[in-house]
Amino acid sequence: GAGVSQSPRYKVAKRGQDVALRCDPISGHVSLFWYQQALGQGPEFLTYFQNEAQLDKSGLPSDRFFAERPEGSVSTLKIQRTQQEDSAVYLCASSLGLRQDLSGNTIYFGEGSWLTVV
Amino acid sequence: AQKVTQAQTEISVVEKEDVTLDCVYETRDTTYYLFWYKQPPSGELVFLIRRNSFDEQNEISGRYSWNFQKSTSSFNFTITASQVVDSAVYFCALSEARGSSNTGKLIFGQGTTLQVKP
Repeated sequence: GAGVSQSPRYKVAKRGQDVALRCDPISGHVSLFWYQQALGQGPEFLTYFQNEAQLDKSGLPSDRFFAERPEGSVSTLKIQRTQQEDSAVYLCASSLGLRQDLSGNTIYFGEGSWLTVV
Repeated sequence: AQKVTQAQTEISVVEKEDVTLDCVYETRDTTYYLFWYKQPPSGELVFLIRRNSFDEQNEISGRYSWNFQKSTSSFNFTITASQVVDSAVYFCALSEARGSSNTGKLIFGQGTTLQVKP
């Protein structure tokens, strides 16, 4: 499809289990973002990639969270030893990222991966 | 500090009523962008509009219109003649241009849940 694709759409993990969430950005998009959205809240920034380089990971809540984008396209967000507070929707987004002023790029979001830790 | 406030948590209207969703933002930068996204139950954030800080001209797109006022740091969104399909959560977001540290990441408000009843 033409949009941002995420998998799995739904994941139930037992506390302590590791999970991996995949994101397929729009083809040709340089910039890729991960956001976390808790129930009833707005999305919060986790990390940003420009091609394969992770330029900003200031939003990752702990060292249990790890993201990669090894070939500058598909990205994986990994959460180790999941905790109940990790339950949220994890949104991936991408943008062309070609403008010098990146703040003006329109960011397109996927449908999210809904993670429930029990 | 950068912040986006959507004071209205939930709004309920009857179909064909007009409704305005409020958004107030805080930023230290003179160059920034404002966005509105719609999030239907499926979870995907759908881009509606982007405005830059130098363009205060109001915009109309069909039943949607936006009122940007720098003097009050507000970027309000009005839906005219609302329809049931407009029911969703609406998010206002801010992106700042900060030179070399600029990634284009978005800072979201808490969202406003709009329910349009038939």
